[in-house]
Amino acid sequence: EPEVTQTPSHQVTQMGQEVILRCVPISNHLYFYWYRQILGQKVEFLVSFYNNEISEKSEIFDDQFSVERPDGSNFTLKIRSTKLEDSAMYFCASSAGDNSPLHFGNGTRLTVT
Amino acid sequence: TQLLEQSPQFLSIQEGENLTVYCNSSSVFSSLQWYRQEPGEGPVLLVTVVTGGEVKKLKRLTFQFGDARKDSSLHITAAQPGDTGLYLCAVFTGGGNKLTFGTGTQLKVEL
Repeated sequence: EPEVTQTPSHQVTQMGQEVILRCVPISNHLYFYWYRQILGQKVEFLVSFYNNEISEKSEIFDDQFSVERPDGSNFTLKIRSTKLEDSAMYFCASSAGDNSPLHFGNGTRLTVT
Repeated sequence: TQLLEQSPQFLSIQEGENLTVYCNSSSVFSSLQWYRQEPGEGPVLLVTVVTGGEVKKLKRLTFQFGDARKDSSLHITAAQPGDTGLYLCAVFTGGGNKLTFGTGTQLKVEL
């Protein structure tokens, strides 16, 4: 069964550094998402992306965050200048259409020191 | 205020027991989804309910959508250790491409 893959599985970075989290969504899916989950807390929506542009974003997704689909297969989340509070699991997801179920990757654990 | 409140937040039971978890909101939704998340993995879709009053069964799991489409419940019969995980309800909001999760119920089933 096709799956969403994320790399790396764990990323450790120093405060103030830039990080790029990578995702390969399911190939025929049209919608792409990033979510985050701080340890022990709920899964929070960050951003959705469709037709090469952001379709929705949350208040968490400020100017420090950006997303890109650089080559038609990868979908990336960049955090420009990481803060301690950015430490979390970051999940990528994709779906086939509006209101369609999301398929999630296994996440990247980001640790900011 | 959370859009979707789940209860209980934590539940620890013995193998073979039955349990029910709830997902409540003051808003009306056209559909509602349930996901399960196991440690170190992303959420995985269990079911989508669409019609008010709808009941769906998935082996030992029974999902119900409230008549007014504001709430839902998940009942597990004869729980097994493999049922351990975080159970999340979720709804689409906005234009249909923002999935918002509930607060979650962390279930632990012990031998």
